[in-house]
Amino acid sequence: AQRVTQPEKLLSVFKGAPVELKCNYSYSGSPELFWYVQYSRQRLQLLLRHISRESIKGFTADLNKGETSFHLKKPFAQEEDSAMYYCALTSGGSNYKLTFGKGTLLTVNP
Amino acid sequence: GAGVSQSPRYKVAKRGQDVALRCDPISGHVSLFWYQQALGQGPEFLTYFQNEAQLDKSGLPSDRFFAERPEGSVSTLKIQRTQQEDSAVYLCASSGRTSVYEQYFGPGTRLTVT
Repeated sequence: AQRVTQPEKLLSVFKGAPVELKCNYSYSGSPELFWYVQYSRQRLQLLLRHISRESIKGFTADLNKGETSFHLKKPFAQEEDSAMYYCALTSGGSNYKLTFGKGTLLTVNP
Repeated sequence: GAGVSQSPRYKVAKRGQDVALRCDPISGHVSLFWYQQALGQGPEFLTYFQNEAQLDKSGLPSDRFFAERPEGSVSTLKIQRTQQEDSAVYLCASSGRTSVYEQYFGPGTRLTVT
């Protein structure tokens, strides 16, 4: 069975500080990993996926297969980064259903 | 263009009532997903359609839950004889052929069963 664990329910940092949102997964194959974000009063949207290796809004995430982790990082947090962040995986193949973690609420204080 | 839309946005049902939740995906998107999000939890997969074919319904919690997408576009999630534990936000998402892994989510329907 596949599972995604986000150990922090809440994370609070000051503007300009580095931020890291943790994500660990369990899956026996080679999953596709994603970070989704939900800003206040907005719908859930894709932030980034590991295979694209992009940096979106200054965020990056590296897939570490040895540690089965996919932590989300940003060197200098901004107030507009305050949101709910969900890590998710899909098993690939022809079924694209997502398995989500419980989410981390990030608050960036001024 | 328009994103994924869902209706109603809020629904209050008395225990035992049947409800129907509608999802309009992005035009041309072949894949459609339903998720259930309980308070304080991440979304949990319910079912997946490719065009009109329901390819995976492994996440439906009981036989009271039924989903359809008869013409490969609009989808309806029906819950019969609602129970309190059905209270949740029901999210619909769609994805297209060229970006199969990028799911576009609707605003959700918040169902409260009293």
